Amino acid sequence: EAGVVQSPRYKIIEKKQPVAFWCNPISGHNTLYWYRQNLGQGPELLIRYENEEAVDDSQLPKDRFSAERLKGVDSTLKIQPAELGDSAVYLCASSSRGSGNQETQYFGPGTRLLVL
Amino acid sequence: DQQVKQNSPSLSVQEGRISILNCDYTNSMFDYFLWYKKYPAEGPTFLISISSIKDKNEDGRFTVFLNKSAKHLSLHIVPSQPGDSAVYFCAASAGTGRRALTFGSGTRLQVQP
Repeated sequence: EAGVVQSPRYKIIEKKQPVAFWCNPISGHNTLYWYRQNLGQGPELLIRYENEEAVDDSQLPKDRFSAERLKGVDSTLKIQPAELGDSAVYLCASSSRGSGNQETQYFGPGTRLLVL
Repeated sequence: DQQVKQNSPSLSVQEGRISILNCDYTNSMFDYFLWYKKYPAEGPTFLISISSIKDKNEDGRFTVFLNKSAKHLSLHIVPSQPGDSAVYFCAASAGTGRRALTFGSGTRLQVQP
């Protein structure tokens, strides 16, 4: 079974430029998450999708960040314009329901963004 | 306010010995806890989990212990192997179903051959 796929793996841009990340979740996983991981810290949630609906975007900086999940499968996360502080690893995860009604999230390899 | 804390940024153990990684949490609503392992340039990989109705869960060399009264959990790896060298993240969620995870800052484990 293929895991969560993300592209690109690395991206270097100048500040004020736009950037986009793409995620393909594990087949059959209806829930998709975008996390941001800063250096030396754990991942922090940006947005969570149930199928094509964003059900938790309270931590997404909406002035410059946007996301979409058309057809409830692939998702894109966009930053426009990028700032120096956006340099981080952007992780996509998808989940399935396990025993005891609990979810286990499976992560992709991430996109490492460097804003110069 | 960090709701999940891993106070040890690094840990070094000898191959064959036990590794104990610790995690504390402050949110009493957390009822599901997970450990993830992360290698450089890869995403976190799920390792083991425990529900708050249990105090121990075992999977091969990995055991997670939960002490709800102390709001503390630990991951035991025995015996430790050089391939276990990675960053380990503790994570927690509240409520059943699909919930975002709150992560600790990670502990880097180095297993010396």
